[in-house]
Amino acid sequence: GENVEQHPSTLSVQEGDSAVIKCTYSDSASNYFPWYKQELGKRPQLIIDIRSNVGEKKDQRIAVTLNKTAKHFSLHITETQPEDSAVYFCAASLLSGYSTLTFGKGTMLLVSP
Amino acid sequence: DTAVSQTPKYLVTQMGNDKSIKCEQNLGHDTMYWYKQDSKKFLKIMFSYNNKELIINETVPNRFSPKSPDKAHLNLHINSLELGDSAVYFCASSPPGQYTGELFFGEGSRLTVL
Repeated sequence: GENVEQHPSTLSVQEGDSAVIKCTYSDSASNYFPWYKQELGKRPQLIIDIRSNVGEKKDQRIAVTLNKTAKHFSLHITETQPEDSAVYFCAASLLSGYSTLTFGKGTMLLVSP
Repeated sequence: DTAVSQTPKYLVTQMGNDKSIKCEQNLGHDTMYWYKQDSKKFLKIMFSYNNKELIINETVPNRFSPKSPDKAHLNLHINSLELGDSAVYFCASSPPGQYTGELFFGEGSRLTVL
């Protein structure tokens, strides 16, 4: 089955800095890579996703890049703000049939004012 | 108007007891899931149902028994609770179709076994 590794496990930045979280996946058949944000005590919520036919996707201050050859994808957050502080999860799945998302172990991002 | 709702939100019980968590979604989704989030925040799939039919059972002990009376509901019953069952259990749903796109999570049910 799919295995997703996520690094770092914790990340502390100053407000205004950029933050990068990296994930690798094992199953070359996976073609869907979402990122979820979970604030303390809240549910995980999708913030951005990318499919394997695209190398990069941006949405305001967040962007995701995908390298299919290396089986590697990353989340980039620019101009970080204290409200970006949360646990971020990457995930991977095959968009076919009833495959489920396999999540990475999460990265706790702390943005200090 | 919560899209995916779970009850109860908090559950504290003794080892050996049996408990249930209920989940309902009003999004018209066909597929529903149970995920377990342990103390280290790791999110792990437990079960997946599509239109009331069990699709995935990820080597979960048979003390855990999901039940889907209709496609809008997926309940989780746990027998003979153990300390290691303490976690937050998230119900989720995803839109109909042949692919698993965005997951819509409920607020979670925090289970504490004493």
